[in-house]
Amino acid sequence: EVQLVDSGGGLVQPGGSLRLSCAASGFSFGTYWMSWVRQAPGKGLEWVANINQDGSEKYYVDSVKGRFTISRDNARNSVYLQMNSLRAEDTAVYYCARGQASFFYWGQGTLVTVSS
Amino acid sequence: QSALTQPPSASGSPGQSVTISCTGTSSDVGGYNYVSWYQQHPGKAPKLMIYEVSKRPSGVPDRFSGSKSGNTASLTVSGLQAEDEANYYCSSFAGSNTPPVLFGGGTKMTVL
Repeated sequence: EVQLVDSGGGLVQPGGSLRLSCAASGFSFGTYWMSWVRQAPGKGLEWVANINQDGSEKYYVDSVKGRFTISRDNARNSVYLQMNSLRAEDTAVYYCARGQASFFYWGQGTLVTVSS
Repeated sequence: QSALTQPPSASGSPGQSVTISCTGTSSDVGGYNYVSWYQQHPGKAPKLMIYEVSKRPSGVPDRFSGSKSGNTASLTVSGLQAEDEANYYCSSFAGSNTPPVLFGGGTKMTVL
């Protein structure tokens, strides 16, 4: 069974940092693109970033470029999102998802709240 | 790039058919056959219902179907059931544009 488990969210002050993790199981992790998608409270889905199979290609939405970094560790079947210089508008549930443009499997989400 | 455009709401009675539209541009919806549709119930993670415009993942009822014409994609739910009440989001690959994946704003489907 395919499983994605998101973790690492929490309350952080503006300007702070957080590192989200997504642990994958049940499939050959190293053969899939992985993505992060977020959802602000009461709002729609927003694609944030993705990474190819060996980590050599990474793409970001403009609003997080230079602040967020996506990475992966295929030996640990995990994908990460390092979030720096966090802003109030980054407050959202963050989901990891399997895929580049069609997301067949999703994590349960982890809530990031940026507030003083 | 702007988000894809969806109607904010749609509704139908049990057994009826309802169609939700998703309008983009020639740089996303119209340029690639990589349109997907997701169903999201409150407090839950999204679930893929349609991918590559019209393909259904295993386990998704054939009441759900997708299509595309030009820059507009559509999701049709036939034989509407109470459990279909949810938010529906479309997404499209946008190639080398930034961002490379766009979502629609979402449509709240109500079963009357």
